[in-house]
Amino acid sequence: AQTVTQSQPEMSVQEAETVTLSCTYDTSESNYYLFWYKQPPSRQMILVIRQEAYKQQNATENRFSVNFQKAAKSFSLKISDSQLGDTAMYFCAFMRLNQGAQKLVFGQGTRLTINP
Amino acid sequence: NAGVTQTPKFQVLKTGQSMTLQCAQDMNHEYMSWYRQDPGMGLRLIHYSVGAGITDQGEVPNGYNVSRSTTEDFPLRLLSAAPSQTSVYFCASRDRGRSEGYTFGSGTRLTVV
Repeated sequence: AQTVTQSQPEMSVQEAETVTLSCTYDTSESNYYLFWYKQPPSRQMILVIRQEAYKQQNATENRFSVNFQKAAKSFSLKISDSQLGDTAMYFCAFMRLNQGAQKLVFGQGTRLTINP
Repeated sequence: NAGVTQTPKFQVLKTGQSMTLQCAQDMNHEYMSWYRQDPGMGLRLIHYSVGAGITDQGEVPNGYNVSRSTTEDFPLRLLSAAPSQTSVYFCASRDRGRSEGYTFGSGTRLTVV
């Protein structure tokens, strides 16, 4: 079974700083996706960024980028020029592709606070 | 385009009561799932479906039933509510043929007293 581990339960940085959230996963699969979801106080789960395992290039979405290290099974999220609106829970998630249901497996989450 | 709609948003139940959490999506997605979110544990899969008439158990299925009679709807039934089922419940859906992740509903906060 796949497992996803987020080792930082909480993080706090000042506005405009850069912050990196860590995620490691365990799998024997070669074909999968990785995701970062954001959950603000509104409770809505919002997809931030995704990475296909077969792609060597790290995904980027505006201020959000990932460092995908396939051999190390590491998938960290970097938020540049952090903003107050980035305050949220962040979840790392894994999804196998060679499987009928393509289920998401989540990490425990990291609570990120951006201070003014 | 409404996406994934969950009702109700909040619910309080007494131990032993039963209820159904509703989930509907209007994106014609084949895959639908139910998750529960508890502090420090992330989201855990309860049940999932790969299409109308097909359902299967996830990681924490005990105490819950599902059915999928149409592509759009995927209700979650609590058979006899227990305090351990106090949680936030999320429904999510995904298009099998696309690379995007799952789209989530806004969640239901359930308290069992």
